[in-house]
Amino acid sequence: DSGVTQTPKHLITATGQRVTLRCSPRSGDLSVYWYQQSLDQGLQFLIQYYNGEERAKGNILERFSAQQFPDLHSELNLSSLELGDSALYFCASSPPGGGGNIQYFGAGTRLSVL
Amino acid sequence: AQSVTQPDIHITVSEGASLELRCNYSYGATPYLFWYVQSPGQGLQLLLKYFSGDTLVQGIKGFEAEFKRSQSSFNLRKPSVHWSDAAEYFCAVVRSNFGNEKLTFGTGTRLTIIP
Repeated sequence: DSGVTQTPKHLITATGQRVTLRCSPRSGDLSVYWYQQSLDQGLQFLIQYYNGEERAKGNILERFSAQQFPDLHSELNLSSLELGDSALYFCASSPPGGGGNIQYFGAGTRLSVL
Repeated sequence: AQSVTQPDIHITVSEGASLELRCNYSYGATPYLFWYVQSPGQGLQLLLKYFSGDTLVQGIKGFEAEFKRSQSSFNLRKPSVHWSDAAEYFCAVVRSNFGNEKLTFGTGTRLTIIP
């Protein structure tokens, strides 16, 4: 158990809909990262938050947004869903201190868009 | 931009045989290097990491990896694989400067173990 909790585990929805994925980081970790794993794109970094502030952005679509709350949990919002958004979405957290810190991954949320 | 190459998409080895998974990175300086493993339906678990110092690093589950600066490689090895090692393995890098901490992953190598 990594200590990172993601809910829900599975999500099935229809095109055009909006969903929210939730992540609770390990106790004491200030950074939260979101990654997308799909068959055609592999594992791609989406966005990072550090202590409530956006720190880095990757290949995140405009239809997607995220935030980190004062209690440090994070949510990834996906809207106007398309079939191609079907993927496994991972959250990871790491303690403060820079790029050398280990990122601990949650078990992921599998999103299926029908 | 940094990149990670795992040239082997799929490797099959016999149980008890040795294993080497290849990883090459492209980056101007020495990045932080990681190997993660993903079992079916599971998240990513860290096997080992290299930041600096001794170029041969030991990880969990009997895995080790060797950093070779001259070859820009960070290959993962295990002397004797077990059936439970069947999984997908990802090499990843992080740039070493604070504030740019995203993991860049390779495409992964799927490991199959045969009896």
